[in-house]
Amino acid sequence: GAVVSQHPSRVICKSGTSVKIECRSLDFQATTMFWYRQFPKQSLMLMATSNEGSKATYEQGVEKDKFLINHASLTLSTLTVTSAHPEDSSFYICSARGWGQGQETQYFGPGTRLLVL
Amino acid sequence: DQQVKQNSPSLSVQEGRISILNCDYTNSMFDYFLWYKKYPAEGPTFLISISSIKDKNEDGRFTVFLNKSAKHLSLHIVPSQPGDSAVYFCAATPTGTASKLTFGTGTRLQVTL
Repeated sequence: GAVVSQHPSRVICKSGTSVKIECRSLDFQATTMFWYRQFPKQSLMLMATSNEGSKATYEQGVEKDKFLINHASLTLSTLTVTSAHPEDSSFYICSARGWGQGQETQYFGPGTRLLVL
Repeated sequence: DQQVKQNSPSLSVQEGRISILNCDYTNSMFDYFLWYKKYPAEGPTFLISISSIKDKNEDGRFTVFLNKSAKHLSLHIVPSQPGDSAVYFCAATPTGTASKLTFGTGTRLQVTL
């Protein structure tokens, strides 16, 4: 299947700082990428849809000014958590749409664990 | 409002037996469904999907069944192997494509020797 990478895998930052997470599709071009967050023992919640060359589409309740998304190329989308606070601590996962085993799916990155102190 | 529900948080199955994971949904607009497997601190791995125009899709040891009238789908794994031990998520979308996925809460499967 297709490979999606994320960097960093883990980050610890102080409250008030900004953190950038990169998501790359390594072996295919992704016009659409997605950003999710997952709290412990909960499901993945879609935050936004990242479209190459255009503005991201945010889900209801997600602050677009706090979670900045940039999809500048067909293989890279970035999520910047601005002025991070402890409640932003979570597991952030990106994905990219693609085809696998003859079926359309999303390929997920390994996730980024963010801890805001 | 949980539109995709996996009512069994955990399931234990003996190696070689069949594992059946269930998923219910409430949104009648959902028309494409996917199953993912996830290990801790990793991203989900795609297993199998099904479109609402089908009621069954099979891929190796994995079979997904869809009952639209009951708004219910299930994932069958046979035979179950220890390496299948993970959390399984079902996901649904109203777009007919793999976008805007709504995930269930997951079922932890443990396959015992």
